[in-house]
Amino acid sequence: DVKVTQSSRYLVKRTGEKVFLECVQDMDHENMFWYRQDPGLGLRLIYFSYDVKMKEKGDIPEGYSVSREKKERFSLILESASTNQTSMYLCASSVPGQISNQPQHFGDGTRLSIL
Amino acid sequence: GQQVMQIPQYQHVQEGEDFTTYCNSSTTLSNIQWYKQRPGGHPVFLIQLVKSGEVKKQKRLTFQFGEAKKNSSLHITATQTTDVGTYFCAVNTDKLIFGTGTRLQVFP
Repeated sequence: DVKVTQSSRYLVKRTGEKVFLECVQDMDHENMFWYRQDPGLGLRLIYFSYDVKMKEKGDIPEGYSVSREKKERFSLILESASTNQTSMYLCASSVPGQISNQPQHFGDGTRLSIL
Repeated sequence: GQQVMQIPQYQHVQEGEDFTTYCNSSTTLSNIQWYKQRPGGHPVFLIQLVKSGEVKKQKRLTFQFGEAKKNSSLHITATQTTDVGTYFCAVNTDKLIFGTGTRLQVFP
């Protein structure tokens, strides 16, 4: 089974801090994704990556950046955290191929609170 | 741009009743995926539909892709408490776009 591991289940940070969310997958997947999930809004794509050092903006990239230095690891960075970034963050991965045709495997999520 | 409407937003049913959630797109789709998220859990892939009019079954779950490939439905027959969760459709563009989900609550 695919294992997608997010470094923290719960995280509390302060406004203005730089925040790192880490995600690791163990199935050698090329594609990795970061979503945020908010009530009534479903899952919204922040960034995705289809290879090491490659990144593409999703639907809501503002205020975020990402890093993919190794194939198994995809990091989400909040450059200067703000209260409107309080949310559940979900990482996912999928096998190579057209991104929209492949099932995505999700981690357990990080519930981030910005005070 | 691509819009995905999922209805209803919430559904409460008595155990044993049937349940259906609908996913509607503003454009023709090449495929659609369905996911289930249990309370406190993460989305788990259920199925992918590709062909016009396709119907797939997984035990008590029936998935259907519309003839025009603009809509899809998930039907659960005789719900059980284990069906509780939020069901998402996800449609393709150059990436997956998730619907807002239908939260199902089943009362014993």
